Amino acid sequence: LAKTTQPISMDSYEGQEVNITCSHNNIATNDYITWYQQFPSQGPRFIIQGYKTKVTNEVASLFIPADRKSSTLSLPRVSLSDTAVYYCLVGDNTGANNLFFGTGTRLTVIP
Amino acid sequence: GAVVSQHPSRVICKSGTSVKIECRSLDFQATTMFWYRQFPKQSLMLMATSNEGSKATYEQGVEKDKFLINHASLTLSTLTVTSAHPEDSSFYICSAELASSYNEQFFGPGTRLTVL
Repeated sequence: LAKTTQPISMDSYEGQEVNITCSHNNIATNDYITWYQQFPSQGPRFIIQGYKTKVTNEVASLFIPADRKSSTLSLPRVSLSDTAVYYCLVGDNTGANNLFFGTGTRLTVIP
Repeated sequence: GAVVSQHPSRVICKSGTSVKIECRSLDFQATTMFWYRQFPKQSLMLMATSNEGSKATYEQGVEKDKFLINHASLTLSTLTVTSAHPEDSSFYICSAELASSYNEQFFGPGTRLTVL
């Protein structure tokens, strides 16, 4: 099970791009990288998932270097409503390995 | 997207009573569901994996006789906290796995349990 390391917290002003990096040095060949967002007193919400290079959807981009030992979640032009905890998970999606939630990164967007 | 519901959203009970929490996948079938517990300002901790038609698999340190899990159908898993005590007060979250190439998990909204 690949352990992940993220910054505990980050602050950003509204309208800025936010990049949250996650380290996963022990990532296995079959592992995918998944990011979730969690608001207080709510369940986590899927943001994006990728295996390598770059993935983009309507809310975020995920950058994964060639060695896959880290990944960066990029949130373009954040707003106050993006204040949340962001979790990076690594696993092979067989149902048992991508369930370890690390500390997460608490993002606070400032007006 | 797939939706997972939990009921109740919050519950307050007296010490020594049992509380049942339901987790339902509303628009898909889930052979596997997961139960997590989250204390304030902390991350989610996996408690157990619930498999339809078979016994749940509990994580180390989680008492199976205290946290009873029943996955009776492909859309419903229940977690019963038996003889609850104040230290069981927490936010309980379930997730259901959508069988696909990514086996994506969808999370419920959580249940806030307060034991007096």
